[in-house]
Amino acid sequence: DIQLTQSPPSLSASVGDRVTITCRASQSINKYLNWFQQKPGRAPNLLIYAASSLQTGVPSRFSGSGTGTDFTLTISGLQPEDFATYYCQQSYGMPRTFGQGTKVEVK
Amino acid sequence: QVQLQESGPGLVKPSETLSLTCTVSGISISSHYWGWIRQSAGRGLEWIGRTSTSGNTYYNPSLKSRVTLSLDTSRNQFSLNLNSVTAADTAVYYCATEWQFWGQGTLVTVSS
Repeated sequence: DIQLTQSPPSLSASVGDRVTITCRASQSINKYLNWFQQKPGRAPNLLIYAASSLQTGVPSRFSGSGTGTDFTLTISGLQPEDFATYYCQQSYGMPRTFGQGTKVEVK
Repeated sequence: QVQLQESGPGLVKPSETLSLTCTVSGISISSHYWGWIRQSAGRGLEWIGRTSTSGNTYYNPSLKSRVTLSLDTSRNQFSLNLNSVTAADTAVYYCATEWQFWGQGTLVTVSS
C-alpha cells in the first residue's frame, strides 16, 4: 500500500493567516493526489484534484502543488469557515489511501 | 443535482453481515466508479473498494476476504456487504464516486 504522511497533525491559526499542509507519499504517485476538507459530522469535500487543479466551486484561496512524493495544500488568507480537518488521498495505486489528516484550529 | 444516500441497519451483531445500500440520484450509475469508504477514530479514512458497470471491481486487500460490492442499474443503487463483522468494523460508512460526490455517511455499530 502507498502510505501518505501528513504534517503537521494539527495547527493553530488566525483568520487571514497563510496555512500550509504537507503530504508525503511512500513512493512516487506522479500527480495523482487529491485534497479534501472535512467538517464535523460531514462527509469529506473535494478541494483539489490531480495535485493542483481546483475543484469547481472551491474558493481560489485554496491551492495545491507538488508531484512525485511531496505535495502541499496552501490556504491563502484563512477564513472562519476554513477551520476543519484536511486530508490528502492518492489515486495512483490500489488500494486508494488517505493521509491521517491535519486539523486546523482557531489560535 | 447529484445526491447519494446510504441506507441500512445502524446496529449489527458480531459475526453477522453488514449490508448497506447507496441510492444515487441526478446521475446514472452506469457512469463513474462507485465506492465505499469508512471512517473511525482508530483507523481514520479507510477505502473499502470500488466497482463500476465495466466490471472492474477492486477491494482493499485488508478487507477483500469479507467484502462484496454490487450494482443495481435498474434501481440506480450500489451495495456493500461485509461479513463476519467485529467491533473493529464500527465506523461511519460513506458511499462516493471518485471523488466529487459523497453520501452523508451512516454510522454502523457492531455490538451484541
